[in-house]
Amino acid sequence: NAGVTQTPKFQVLKTGQSMTLQCAQDMNHEYMSWYRQDPGMGLRLIHYSVGAGITDQGEVPNGYNVSRSTTEDFPLRLLSAAPSQTSVYFCASSREDSGNTIYFGEGSWLTVV
Amino acid sequence: AQSVTQLGSHVSVSEGALVLLRCNYSSSVPPYLFWYVQYPNQGLQLLLKYTSAATLVKGINGFEAEFKKSETSFHLTKPSAHMSDAAEYFCAVSGGSNYKLTFGKGTLLTVNP
Repeated sequence: NAGVTQTPKFQVLKTGQSMTLQCAQDMNHEYMSWYRQDPGMGLRLIHYSVGAGITDQGEVPNGYNVSRSTTEDFPLRLLSAAPSQTSVYFCASSREDSGNTIYFGEGSWLTVV
Repeated sequence: AQSVTQLGSHVSVSEGALVLLRCNYSSSVPPYLFWYVQYPNQGLQLLLKYTSAATLVKGINGFEAEFKKSETSFHLTKPSAHMSDAAEYFCAVSGGSNYKLTFGKGTLLTVNP
């Protein structure tokens, strides 16, 4: 079982460039989320999805775009990267049943210069 | 609404000493509570979770946590620290939904020989 797979693991972008962080899960989970981790801030929710075709904003959505065309995939798009988006990004997935384990990907380290 | 407060951004203990990492939460609904560990440059690993069953929860690597509703706390303990426990620890709460975790800002645990 691959679990939650994120790509790329490391990326350096120039200010203004666009890119997509990929996230895929093979556990048929309804729920998928994106978090960013910054020093001293913990992890903060960017966007989440409760099923294919359904997305919503989290705590820090500005500058990011998401879509969920399939159950398996939940890409995160940076349309015009800014240095403030330098961070570690984590994708997560889980089943509908509350309290069940939330699975995290291994993270994507993004630097915007 | 939900929130998590981790008391102490940095805790330092001697090898063999008690580890106590503090977490207080607020939630408008019965919470599910989690502790995650993150080793340097790695992803998140679930240590343990509380999902309204036993209030004393045992996790991996000898860690345990006790849910105390009256104190709105979920402190993480380990009787005897090991060098390999050095990492950052995050407390998180899910207030009834399984796709929106709210994290504390993390506590960095240092273990001295």
